[in-house]
Amino acid sequence: ELKVEQNPLFLSMQEGKNYTIYCNYSTTSDRLYWYRQDPGKSLESLFVLLSNGAVKQEGRLMASLDTKARLSTLHITAAVHDLSATYFCAVGYGGATNKLIFGTGTLLAVQP
Amino acid sequence: EAQVTQNPRYLITVTGKKLTVTCSQNMNHEYMSWYRQDPGLGLRQIYYSMNVEVTDKGDVPEGYKVSRKEKRNFPLILESPSPNQTSLYFCASSVMGGHTIYFGEGSWLTVV
Repeated sequence: ELKVEQNPLFLSMQEGKNYTIYCNYSTTSDRLYWYRQDPGKSLESLFVLLSNGAVKQEGRLMASLDTKARLSTLHITAAVHDLSATYFCAVGYGGATNKLIFGTGTLLAVQP
Repeated sequence: EAQVTQNPRYLITVTGKKLTVTCSQNMNHEYMSWYRQDPGLGLRQIYYSMNVEVTDKGDVPEGYKVSRKEKRNFPLILESPSPNQTSLYFCASSVMGGHTIYFGEGSWLTVV
């Protein structure tokens, strides 16, 4: 059974600081997703990582994938208040189907 | 515009009163699925469908039914809702094996 562990569950950080969210998964997968969710809203796709060593960046967020370690990271650089949200990683599972196994989410609160 | 549309967005209902949450997509996607989101658990898959008349259970199917009579629609049916089905529900769709997954806006369901 594929399990996805995400940590920390809650992260309070000051504006301008850097931090990393970790996503570990238990079995082989060919894709790893990062989503952002604002309170009461749907999921916003941030990144799709498809291969070992993949790195993608958008603004202050950078995601990476190490398939050998079964680890993905979401790095936040110089956080700003607008980044406050819940971030989920999700692992693609099931071959041609697009079943996703989600982590529990990280609630990020960026304080001024 | 590519869309996954869910209705209703908000619903309070009573235990045992059958209800249906509709999901419709305008992208001719083969794959559709339902997830529920609960605090501390992330999103978990309820049912999925790989094409018309092809459906299968996800990780938490108990208490739910689905149907796929048309490619664009994938309703979620709660025959006899119970309070433990109080949750936020998301419908998702994609091309089979595609990397982009589209989520609906979510449906808040409260069963009292």
